[in-house]
Amino acid sequence: DVKVTQSSRYLVKRTGEKVFLECVQDMDHENMFWYRQDPGLGLRLIYFSYDVKMKEKGDIPEGYSVSREKKERFSLILESASTNQTSMYLCASSPRTPNIQYFGAGTRLSVL
Amino acid sequence: EDKVVQSPLSLVVHEGDTVTLNCSYEVTNFRSLLWYKQEKKAPTFLFMLTSSGIEKKSGRLSSILDKKELFSILNITATQTGDSAVYLCAVEAYSGGGADGLTFGKGTHLIIQP
Repeated sequence: DVKVTQSSRYLVKRTGEKVFLECVQDMDHENMFWYRQDPGLGLRLIYFSYDVKMKEKGDIPEGYSVSREKKERFSLILESASTNQTSMYLCASSPRTPNIQYFGAGTRLSVL
Repeated sequence: EDKVVQSPLSLVVHEGDTVTLNCSYEVTNFRSLLWYKQEKKAPTFLFMLTSSGIEKKSGRLSSILDKKELFSILNITATQTGDSAVYLCAVEAYSGGGADGLTFGKGTHLIIQP
């Protein structure tokens, strides 16, 4: 079974803090993705990576950065958290092909 | 801009009914369409469709893609309370890069009443 593990289920941070969300997959997948999910807006792609040290912007990258130093780990970084980044964050991984993405359980982030 | 529209947004039926969920899309360089089921947490993969007219089936769930009319349907027969979930439709498009993110619809919230 594919396992995608997100380090925290719930996180509460203050405005202006630097926030790290961690994701680890155990299936040796090449591709990894970060989405956020908001009511009425669905899942939206923030960033993705198709190889170690490679990253690509998704549809809503503003205010976020990512890091992929090892194949199994993909980190999402909020440089200076803001209240509009309060959301559910979902990490996913997929093999090079087919691009069937397997999701982690999500991190619910509240920025106060 | 790629677009995925699901309908209905919510649906309440009784156990044993058959339901049909719809997904239409406008995508440049279509590659595949995927269906996911989301209960409390992680979306779980149901189907990937790449070719028109070929039905994919898993138990009481089935799905088909029409690439000419740009839509897909997900059918669930003999529904059970455990089918209650949000069903997500997503489309993959060729980006020319090393990987492709998915564009998701807003989902159909399905409630099965006993």
